[in-house]
Amino acid sequence: EVQLVESGGGLVQPGGSLRLSCTASEFIFSSYWMSWVRQAPGKGLEWVANIKEDGSEKYYVDSVKGRFTVSRDNAKNSVYLQMNNLRAEDTAVYYCARDRRLDVSGSFYNDYWGRGSLVTVSS
Amino acid sequence: EIVLTQSPATLSLSPGERATLSCRASQSVSRYLGWYQQKPGQAPRLLIHDASNRATGIPARFSGSGSGTDFTLTISSLVPEDFAVYYCQQRYKWPVTFGQGTKVEIK
Repeated sequence: EVQLVESGGGLVQPGGSLRLSCTASEFIFSSYWMSWVRQAPGKGLEWVANIKEDGSEKYYVDSVKGRFTVSRDNAKNSVYLQMNNLRAEDTAVYYCARDRRLDVSGSFYNDYWGRGSLVTVSS
Repeated sequence: EIVLTQSPATLSLSPGERATLSCRASQSVSRYLGWYQQKPGQAPRLLIHDASNRATGIPARFSGSGSGTDFTLTISSLVPEDFAVYYCQQRYKWPVTFGQGTKVEIK
């Protein structure tokens, strides 16, 4: 069964950095776009970033542009989110999710999700 | 960015009743809209993709409709495990955006 496992979360001070990892299994990782989605405590979902199969295209929500970087290592079946200059408002559970086009004429949707990794930004 | 507005914020219904959830986009997203279900402490689960297509393993009581700016998720007859928060998501234009969610609670 498809699995996505996030790691690397924790407590960090404002202005600090953290790198999240997501390791995938039971599917051909190099054939899929991957996304990061976050959820602040008690709030809704917010898409953060995603990355193309070969890493050649990356997209970000405006609030993290210039601070977060998404990358991947297909040899390790892993996708990463490097988070710099963290702010209190970045506090959230960060989910890794697979993007998949489920209809030949349709768009991409997140069909598998990890359990999430909690990032807390506080002094 | 495309703003998705979900209504109502909370829906109080009893098991067996029909639930109708709305998602309105600030501009057309064609049919590139999905619906997700999230239960407390769990990751979201994809229910509907491309406005009206059920994802693998999703029961037939879930259906989606709409195109352009107005979309609906219908649960024909609620069962206990359907009480959760539901989010719509547009995949028409970057950045990807979600609605703020509709909580379906037991009346």
